Amino acid sequence: GDSVTQMEGPVTLSEEAFLTINCTYTATGYPSLFWYVQYPGEGLQLLLKATKADDKGSNKGFEATYRKETTSFHLEKGSVQVSDSAVYFCALSSGNTPLVFGKGTRFSVIA
Amino acid sequence: EAGVVQSPRYKIIEKKQPVAFWCNPISGHNTLYWYLQNLGQGPELLIRYENEEAVDDSQLPKDRFSAERLKGVDSTLKIQPAELGDSAVYLCASSLGRTGTDTQYFGPGTRLTVL
Repeated sequence: GDSVTQMEGPVTLSEEAFLTINCTYTATGYPSLFWYVQYPGEGLQLLLKATKADDKGSNKGFEATYRKETTSFHLEKGSVQVSDSAVYFCALSSGNTPLVFGKGTRFSVIA
Repeated sequence: EAGVVQSPRYKIIEKKQPVAFWCNPISGHNTLYWYLQNLGQGPELLIRYENEEAVDDSQLPKDRFSAERLKGVDSTLKIQPAELGDSAVYLCASSLGRTGTDTQYFGPGTRLTVL
């Protein structure tokens, strides 16, 4: 079945550092890909998404490009802030199937 | 616009007791989801509704779990009797449509502790 594998955390960076959180997937067909973020004490929020190969999703300075050839959707941000500290989930959905999530990556930024 | 509302936010019960969670989706959203999130894991789907019809409940442990979505709006998820292994966060989400590209909006979740 469909699955998502993302890098294990926790990840800790200093402010203004460059962030990459790796995500690879296995799916039949052509899934849509998502990054969700969960801030402390809050529910999951959609951060960005891409629905076809080579699409780039972006939001709040974060970007991820749908790479069909490497089955990847890595999340990047050029300069992180303390407010970016959260748990990040990569997810996919094929057609009418429900979201399949990775295990999440806990990310912390130190000032 | 109000987001997905869930209650209670926290619940502590003893094993073998019943428990119920309530979810109110975003107005106009036809599709509603219940997810289970264990500690250190991503959410896993328990059941999906399109209006009042359960269209995917293959992962719902039907011996102890039940759910309903009367009138296609609010939904209730029940566990009876609860077991120690049911301790987790129960998330509700809703979306306008049912395709994979439709954004799902999540509530804050109910954290259940079974003693």
